[in-house]
Amino acid sequence: GAVVSQHPSRVICKSGTSVKIECRSLDFQATTMFWYRQFPKQSLMLMATSNEGSKATYEQGVEKDKFLINHASLTLSTLTVTSAHPEDSSFYICSAPRTSGIRSYNEQFFGPGTRLTVL
Amino acid sequence: SQKIEQNSEALNIQEGKTATLTCNYTNYSPAYLQWYRQDPGRGPVFLLLIRENEKEKRKERLKVTFDTTLKQSLFHITASQPADSATYLCALDTNQAGTALIFGKGTTLSVSS
Repeated sequence: GAVVSQHPSRVICKSGTSVKIECRSLDFQATTMFWYRQFPKQSLMLMATSNEGSKATYEQGVEKDKFLINHASLTLSTLTVTSAHPEDSSFYICSAPRTSGIRSYNEQFFGPGTRLTVL
Repeated sequence: SQKIEQNSEALNIQEGKTATLTCNYTNYSPAYLQWYRQDPGRGPVFLLLIRENEKEKRKERLKVTFDTTLKQSLFHITASQPADSATYLCALDTNQAGTALIFGKGTTLSVSS
């Protein structure tokens, strides 16, 4: 099956610093990727849709100036948490829908997640 | 807004039994409903997708049903094994291919030997 990777898998940073998380589709191209956040014992919450070649679409309540998304290529999307604070500590997961040629499917492939801890 | 409920946070069963997990949704008529498995500290893994015009879908020991009248999906694991222990997430597709998913909170299944 399709593989999505994330880097880093775990990061600890000081309050006020910025952290960049990479999401890569390893064996397929993804014009769209999604970024989710998951707090302990909670559901995955969609933060934004990353679109290759255009601006990301953010969900209501998600600050676009704080969570910068760049879909640099058909295989790479990055999420930068700017001026991170302890309340930003969470599990960040990206996903990409499966595609084969020009056909898109509905199931999604998720990265392994990035555990962010802000001290 | 759409709401998804998985009405059991945790389910404990004996090995060999059938596990049945429930997903209910409101304020929406999805074209698809999906089930994912999530292990601790990992991203979800796709298991099954069922369309609105399908009543039932099977894959090995897994079976999913979809009742659009009741707005409910049931997820069954037959002959359960300890390796099936994980959190199972129900997700709604908002419309066409490639769109984001709305997830339920999940049900954590524990299968004891």
